[in-house]
Amino acid sequence: GAVVSQHPSWVICKSGTSVKIECRSLDFQATTMFWYRQFPKQSLMLMATSNEGSKATYEQGVEKDKFLINHASLTLSTLTVTSAHPEDSSFYICSARGGAPRGPLHFGNGTRLTVT
Amino acid sequence: ILNVEQSPQSLHVQEGDSTNFTCSFPSSNFYALHWYRWETAKSPEALFVMTLNGDEKKKGRISATLNTKEGYSYLYIKGSQPEDSATYLCAFTNDYKLSFGAGTTVTVRA
Repeated sequence: GAVVSQHPSWVICKSGTSVKIECRSLDFQATTMFWYRQFPKQSLMLMATSNEGSKATYEQGVEKDKFLINHASLTLSTLTVTSAHPEDSSFYICSARGGAPRGPLHFGNGTRLTVT
Repeated sequence: ILNVEQSPQSLHVQEGDSTNFTCSFPSSNFYALHWYRWETAKSPEALFVMTLNGDEKKKGRISATLNTKEGYSYLYIKGSQPEDSATYLCAFTNDYKLSFGAGTTVTVRA
């Protein structure tokens, strides 16, 4: 149980275009979803927290106009990288929590974004 | 950003041997400490969520201890097997958000 599906697994796009990444909880309702970014050899860095039906809370230094997060339902959250640039190339991974605030996170497989 | 340190960054262990590694985290305002196993091409999988000082948790050959007063947790792998090869992440939280360490990558040699 507690499966999170993230799509796409990898994407290559041209500079200036936008990319949408989807994160779905398949067998539970995700009250909170987290979006992380990871650069090589570094830890997962939290970008934003989203709760269903409300605006996402962004971490300091993360541009909300560049990384648009939508959490329209209890099973779907999307991250859109707008006007992507090569420096946005990274590994993006979502996670979801459905139950208790101290409960474990359930992760997607991640998306490798390469901007050329 | 909360400082979570894991050491060593990587280690190699012979099949059948036991090993352990460390996660250090802020000792104030402790809420929970998580351990995840992240195998290549898969998603991170939750191993333990630890909330109480002195907690010890076990899952098969893997176990973890927690010291919230001094801010560290150990993860132990007993009798390592090739399938234990993965990156082990710890994450600290003092509210609802998790701050992750960079992980310890374990390679078990047959």
